[in-house]
Amino acid sequence: EPEVTQTPSHQVTQMGQEVILRCVPISNHLYFYWYRQILGQKVEFLVSFYNNEISEKSEIFDDQFSVERPDGSNFTLKIRSTKLEDSAMYFCASSRQNQPQHFGDGTRLSIL
Amino acid sequence: RKEVEQDPGPFNVPEGATVAFNCTYSNSASQSFFWYRQDCRKEPKLLMSVYSSGNEDGRFTAQLNRASQYISLLIRDSKLSDSATYLCVVNMDGQNFVFGPGTRLSVLP
Repeated sequence: EPEVTQTPSHQVTQMGQEVILRCVPISNHLYFYWYRQILGQKVEFLVSFYNNEISEKSEIFDDQFSVERPDGSNFTLKIRSTKLEDSAMYFCASSRQNQPQHFGDGTRLSIL
Repeated sequence: RKEVEQDPGPFNVPEGATVAFNCTYSNSASQSFFWYRQDCRKEPKLLMSVYSSGNEDGRFTAQLNRASQYISLLIRDSKLSDSATYLCVVNMDGQNFVFGPGTRLSVLP
């Protein structure tokens, strides 16, 4: 069964540095998402992406964040000037229109 | 008002018990509904979609009441492996999927 893959599985970064989290969505899916989950808290929507542009974004997704689909397969989340509170699991998901999302197994981001 | 609310939990039940989870959503125009399960420190995994007519998958039954803006998940004959957090997910509009806070279930031997 096709799956969403994310790399790296764990990223440790110094505060203030930039990180790029990578995702390869399922190949015939057209909608892509990023979520984050701070330890012990709920899954929070960050952004959705369709047709090479952002379709929805949450209040969390401010100027510190950006997404890109640099080629036909990858979908990346860039976090600039990382803060301690950015430490969380970041999940990528993909879907067809109005169909359930399929999640990658996440990247654990630790900001020191 | 929070967009998606769930039973606060945790639910601790013995093996073989029947357990029900409830979820309410605020947007009456919501289009589609799902139950996911999430194991500790893992990604959410789709358990089942929820249809207006109700649907069943083995020991799991999901129901939707659009008038009351309410979704339920029933687990019969619970197994140890059912221990997880159950997430209610609502597609509010377009591609805006909102997660509930989850209800944690522990099935005890």
